[in-house]
Amino acid sequence: SQQGEEDPQALSIQEGENATMNCSYKTSINNLQWYRQNSGRGLVHLILIRSNEREKHSGRLRVTLDTSKKSSSLLITASRAADTASYFCATSYAGNTPLVFGKGTRLSVIA
Amino acid sequence: GAVVSQHPSRVICKSGTSVKIECRSLDFQATTMFWYRQFPKQSLMLMATSNEGSKATYEQGVEKDKFLINHASLTLSTLTVTSAHPEDSSFYICSAPEGYEQYFGPGTRLTVT
Repeated sequence: SQQGEEDPQALSIQEGENATMNCSYKTSINNLQWYRQNSGRGLVHLILIRSNEREKHSGRLRVTLDTSKKSSSLLITASRAADTASYFCATSYAGNTPLVFGKGTRLSVIA
Repeated sequence: GAVVSQHPSRVICKSGTSVKIECRSLDFQATTMFWYRQFPKQSLMLMATSNEGSKATYEQGVEKDKFLINHASLTLSTLTVTSAHPEDSSFYICSAPEGYEQYFGPGTRLTVT
């Protein structure tokens, strides 16, 4: 069953601005991952943060994880038009188990 | 990173026919693979877990007789949509875990007319 909730459902920003997306989940996890999906295409893995980590960076991406609140955020700094896509969080409670995806945030970056 | 392929990438079929989708792990062995379905503007929902050498396990609400899964080898799982109907039109994505990483196929767009 789907356990992740993301907000906002849709976000529209100007190029150069920062975009923040939030994700909440319901059960204990081993790790949380963020994916990007361009319209009609497959998933692109962005970043994985383990349950014992609080923050992780990758290029213009910053992910935080608060296991006490069962929530995570994805920050994209200095956004570009090419960042326009849907972003999903997905949680895993153990290795070799399926991911549970959130509902996603549709990000539009306007040039 | 590891690579998972899917074939075909797009398929259009007539209502009532069957369609087979292949998922292959190209450079690692996968005793387990997962099949997800994504309807337009929605998220991915797990359909079933494919297990090499044993029966697949299906999520609640997914008909096992309609969505046949065969995991015949350590690198190949197939999903057959039998007697497809327009409501089966969707994006089907497989994934294979290696350790704590999940590697996703590029997806198959199924359109049933």
